[in-house]
Amino acid sequence: EAQVTQNPRYLITVTGKKLTVTCSQNMNHEYMSWYRQDPGLGLRQIYYSMNVEVTDKGDVPEGYKVSRKEKRNFPLILESPSPNQTSLYFCASSWASDGMEAFFGQGTRLTVV
Amino acid sequence: KQEVTQIPAALSVPEGENLVLNCSFTDSAIYNLQWFRQDPGKGLTSLLLIQSSQREQTSGRLNASLDKSSGRSTLYIAASQPGDSATYLCAVRTGNQFYFGTGTSLTVIP
Repeated sequence: EAQVTQNPRYLITVTGKKLTVTCSQNMNHEYMSWYRQDPGLGLRQIYYSMNVEVTDKGDVPEGYKVSRKEKRNFPLILESPSPNQTSLYFCASSWASDGMEAFFGQGTRLTVV
Repeated sequence: KQEVTQIPAALSVPEGENLVLNCSFTDSAIYNLQWFRQDPGKGLTSLLLIQSSQREQTSGRLNASLDKSSGRSTLYIAASQPGDSATYLCAVRTGNQFYFGTGTSLTVIP
């Protein structure tokens, strides 16, 4: 089954404690991206990757890091989480070609206290 | 920068009604527009994808149209059902980025 898998689904952590949210897709898609969803603000793109070792900033990259060492994986790293990074996070993938459909993971609800 | 707006923010209709959700975007240089459904606390389920060269797409009771020049898309839901209750999001791809509207929360009353 074609899917995008995020882990963990729920995470509560403390300020400053480094964490990684994993994202994996089984569709051989070149393009992967991360979003955060906040009430009233909708989904905003954090980072995206056009292919292995190619990443770029989205609209809200501050406080986040990503890496793309393998085509199927695109982890999101919070080196020093802060309470304003409490949010619902989504990973997505698609073919890199212009008109291609995006597939989303089930989301990771992160709470930073 | 691309901005995507969805109107209305919330909509409540009785079961069986036909309804239209609206999505507008400021930059007409899009590659595609995609409509999603999101249930509370859940991920996004793709409903329809319209390529920039297309005018509409249909899937079952859903029909989405795209007028790229005016920066508008509509999602038409025929014969609404309580199971259609969810938040509907539209997203446009501009360059290498996706931009989302804030969604329309739909409640279909039995």
